[in-house]
Amino acid sequence: NAGVTQTPKFRILKIGQSMTLQCAQDMNHNYMYWYRQDPGMGLKLIYYSVGAGITDKGEVPNGYNVSRSTTEDFPLRLELAAPSQTSVYFCASIDLAGTNTEAFFGQGTRLTVV
Amino acid sequence: RKEVEQDPGPFNVPEGATVAFNCTYSNSASQSFFWYRQDCRKEPKLLMSVYSSGNEDGRFTAQLNRASQYISLLIRDSKLSDSATYLCVADALIQGAQKLVFGQGTRLTINP
Repeated sequence: NAGVTQTPKFRILKIGQSMTLQCAQDMNHNYMYWYRQDPGMGLKLIYYSVGAGITDKGEVPNGYNVSRSTTEDFPLRLELAAPSQTSVYFCASIDLAGTNTEAFFGQGTRLTVV
Repeated sequence: RKEVEQDPGPFNVPEGATVAFNCTYSNSASQSFFWYRQDCRKEPKLLMSVYSSGNEDGRFTAQLNRASQYISLLIRDSKLSDSATYLCVADALIQGAQKLVFGQGTRLTINP
């Protein structure tokens, strides 16, 4: 049981490049979230999904896209990278079908846009 | 007004001291509250859930005050290993979907 797995751990992008941050969970959780964390700040919600085929915008969705074709995977896409997207990105999942609403996080992706 | 607000600190306290953090939330529909711990350059991990009137786990006590919409975290007999950032989290059912809203985090350093 690996929990939540994020790849890559680190990435440097040039302005205008695109990339996909991968997130996979093997706990059969229905809810999945993408957050970004800027230095010295809390986590801001980018996008979330309540189940396969359903996604919705969070607090800071501009510049990002997501898809949820399976329960396990929730990739985050950056189409035209900008310096403002330099941040640490965390994926999380929660099982809201049970009584335990603990959020499990991936180890994060440190993205630098230059 | 931010949905979840915390004093960012930093708090610097000597080992063995008692330290308390407060957190306020603005969404009265929030039902569940949590404290997460985040070590430097690591992912957040659940420290404690806070339900109804609060709960205790060893040296850690979390309290919830629904009337004033704040939660608190008390750490007794602090250890060097308690140094971390503590994130206050509130959840709320919005438009049929449950979201977790994180505070900015409070940075704590325990000094020997």
